[in-house]
Amino acid sequence: KAGVTQTPRYLIKTRGQQVTLSCSPISGHRSVSWYQQTPGQGLQFLFEYFSETQRNKGNFPGRFSGRQFSNSRSEMNVSTLELGDSALYLCASADVSGANVLTFGAGSRLTVL
Amino acid sequence: AQSVSQHNHHVILSEAASLELGCNYSYGGTVNLFWYVQYPGQHLQLLLKYFSGDPLVKGIKGFEAEFIKSKFSFNLRKPSVQWSDTAEYFCAVNPPSGNTGKLIFGQGTTLQVKP
Repeated sequence: KAGVTQTPRYLIKTRGQQVTLSCSPISGHRSVSWYQQTPGQGLQFLFEYFSETQRNKGNFPGRFSGRQFSNSRSEMNVSTLELGDSALYLCASADVSGANVLTFGAGSRLTVL
Repeated sequence: AQSVSQHNHHVILSEAASLELGCNYSYGGTVNLFWYVQYPGQHLQLLLKYFSGDPLVKGIKGFEAEFIKSKFSFNLRKPSVQWSDTAEYFCAVNPPSGNTGKLIFGQGTTLQVKP
């Protein structure tokens, strides 16, 4: 089985721009979650999508948004980028009919200049 | 505030030494507990998990963890570490009613094993 695939792996943006990150979950997994990883704050939950619906949201401003498509692929968007948004953004998928265990992708490393 | 705490931020051990990494959480009710590991340059990988049943769970690569409900703890152990265990270790909790995808992570412990 292919793992969780995230694109792009690396990107550089400037303040004020927006960015869209993509995640393809493991085939058959319907839950996709997003996390932000930074040296200072560690791993923080952004949101979870299941069957195209956001069913859980972390404590991030409205500039952070996401969506899920009918094939379970997910995107997250960050608008009006700030320097503090520089981070590794991780996507994880889960087979909610089974072990409820998250499988993580390699992440998208965003640098905001 | 509800949280997950890992006691050690940076641990340095020699090969063959025993390892114990502490993890405490502050959620009441039934929680699912996990340890994830991030080897240098690699994905976060599941080391082991506890959902219910035997509080002593075994994971990959010789790791085990013990759930002590009365202490809200889920400590990770390994009797004899190897150089290849050098990595960052994260304790995580799936809080009550948190749905599958919401994990609350501890700050992580960097383990350095000296050959």
